[in-house]
Amino acid sequence: DTEVTQTPKHLVMGMTNKKSLKCEQHMGHRAMYWYKQKAKKPPELMFVYSYEKLSINESVPSRFSPECPNSSLLNLHLHALQPEDSALYLCASSQVGGGDRREQYFGPGTRLTVT
Amino acid sequence: ELKVEQNPLFLSMQEGKNYTIYCNYSTTSDRLYWYRQDPGKSLESLFVLLSNGAVKQEGRLMASLDTKARLSTLHITAAVHDLSATYFCAVLSGGGADGLTFGKGTHLIIQP
Repeated sequence: DTEVTQTPKHLVMGMTNKKSLKCEQHMGHRAMYWYKQKAKKPPELMFVYSYEKLSINESVPSRFSPECPNSSLLNLHLHALQPEDSALYLCASSQVGGGDRREQYFGPGTRLTVT
Repeated sequence: ELKVEQNPLFLSMQEGKNYTIYCNYSTTSDRLYWYRQDPGKSLESLFVLLSNGAVKQEGRLMASLDTKARLSTLHITAAVHDLSATYFCAVLSGGGADGLTFGKGTHLIIQP
């Protein structure tokens, strides 16, 4: 199974709402990632978790709060977002190590619209 | 800071023609990835290139890596309409678990 799943597929939220994005993988990967992709732009790294610990935070605003409850799950908690945060949010996972083991597998994404 | 540059950013070509997309990166890396993205969809992994001189082929696509020149190419042979998509190259910048740095992408349109 080389699948990364994400829920929900689409999310519309107001600027005062609190919502969460979920990501799950069962490939035994110990690294998980959040990327943000605006329309017609490349994905940009937000967070990296390695062995369930946050290892990289690319200066993301605190209204985005990641959580890795276990090795298979990754959440992104959203609060007080701005319209400019509307984007496709992609989750990915990979092994930690050398060679092909670090290939990142991407989920289908959550299309977020902030109104 | 790692920078990844792709060119061209937009390419319109006819079916049956050949073309090459170029990807340059600014710092030493021996891991380069090519992804395909269809409109409104996620990223599909095409190739993982791990060493200097690596060449991989899948159907009408062939990718190569020259780590000394910090250059990768994605060559399209006898293009068909189904290959229309946006193609990204991406580089892994460090050890352990690191995020990918993507090029801006090449929007490829193949016309009958």
